[in-house]
Amino acid sequence: EVQMVESGGGLVKPGGSLRLSCAASGFSFSSYSVNWVRQAPGKGLEWVSSITPFASHLYYADSVKGRFTMSRDDAQSSLYLQMDRLRAEDTAVYYCARSLGYYDSGGFLVWGQGTLVTVSS
Amino acid sequence: QSALTQPASVSASPGQSITISCTGTSSDVGTYNYVSWYQQHPGKAPKLMIYDVNNRPSGVSTRFSASKSGSTASLTISGLQAEDEADYYCTSYTSSGSHLFGTGTKVSVL
Repeated sequence: EVQMVESGGGLVKPGGSLRLSCAASGFSFSSYSVNWVRQAPGKGLEWVSSITPFASHLYYADSVKGRFTMSRDDAQSSLYLQMDRLRAEDTAVYYCARSLGYYDSGGFLVWGQGTLVTVSS
Repeated sequence: QSALTQPASVSASPGQSITISCTGTSSDVGTYNYVSWYQQHPGKAPKLMIYDVNNRPSGVSTRFSASKSGSTASLTISGLQAEDEADYYCTSYTSSGSHLFGTGTKVSVL
């Protein structure tokens, strides 16, 4: 079964750090671009970052650039999001999502169930 | 970058058709044929319904179709069913290599 499972969410104070993980299975992880997408409570979807195979290209939303770092471990079929200098507005459910193919320009076909990150004092 | 613009809500009776618009700019929808549409039920992860403007992934009903004209993309749901009641989001690849989501549209089946 093709699936992606996020972990690592939780409660963190403003200015703190958190590392999210996403474990993929059922497909050749190294052949696909993967992404993080978040959704604040009661709000719409917001793309956060993308990484292409071999980590050859990395892209970030302006709202997280310089604070979040995305990485991948193809040997472990895993995706990570290191979140530093967290703000209240980073509070959201974070989804990992696999792109349709090698390139990250198309749609996101496979999604995890999401992990909640709450930034509050 | 601002989110792509979608109507906040659309409603119709079962069996009818609805169309949701998604308006961007020349830096995203107007230039790239990488427009996708997602369906999201409450508390669930989004589901890809359309990719590359007008292509359906395997398993998505043919009642869902989409198109693009200039900087505006559109999703049409024909033969509306109760299970179609959900939030719908468009997204587009952009000239900066990012992805821009729409503001979201709540579809209600009367």
